[in-house]
Amino acid sequence: KAGVTQTPRYLIKTRGQQVTLSCSPISGHRSVSWYQQTPGQGLQFLFEYFSETQRNKGNFPGRFSGRQFSNSRSEMNVSTLELGDSALYLCASRTGEGTETQYFGPGTRLLVL
Amino acid sequence: AQSVTQLDSQVPVFEEAPVELRCNYSSSVSVYLFWYVQYPNQGLQLLLKYLSGSTLVKGINGFEAEFNKSQTSFHLRKPSVHISDTAEYFCAVQRGQGGSEKLVFGKGTKLTVNP
Repeated sequence: KAGVTQTPRYLIKTRGQQVTLSCSPISGHRSVSWYQQTPGQGLQFLFEYFSETQRNKGNFPGRFSGRQFSNSRSEMNVSTLELGDSALYLCASRTGEGTETQYFGPGTRLLVL
Repeated sequence: AQSVTQLDSQVPVFEEAPVELRCNYSSSVSVYLFWYVQYPNQGLQLLLKYLSGSTLVKGINGFEAEFNKSQTSFHLRKPSVHISDTAEYFCAVQRGQGGSEKLVFGKGTKLTVNP
């Protein structure tokens, strides 16, 4: 099976812009979670989508949003970018039932100038 | 709420030496525990996980970890490391209810294996 894919891999934006990141889960996986990784804060949970519904949410401002499509692909959007949003954004997929392993993609590295 | 403390931010070792990466967690409910590895410019790869049963868990690449409930620890060990084990290692905890629970990660330990 193909792994989790994320596009784009690298992105440079300027403050105030918005950005959309995409994640394609492993075939058959219905759950997609998003995490932000920064040197200062480490890995922090953003949100999880399961069958097109947000099932869990972390402690991030409303500028961070997401959605999931019927094919389980997910997008996350960050509006009004701030310098502090520079990070590696990782998505992880799993079947969504029980405590099975989360499989991570390679991430999208976002740089905000 | 759950939290994870990785006691060492950096661990340098020589090739073929043993290594232990320490992880302590805090939770008022039962938890599941995980170790992930991140190589440069890559995502996270699962090394091993503890859900229940035997407290000694074996994972990939010769790593193992022991769950100690009384000490709330889940230390990762390898008897003999290789240069290729150089990476960042993350301990994570998930509330033991299944389903939608998120992973809570420690800050990570950078393992550097020197020749």
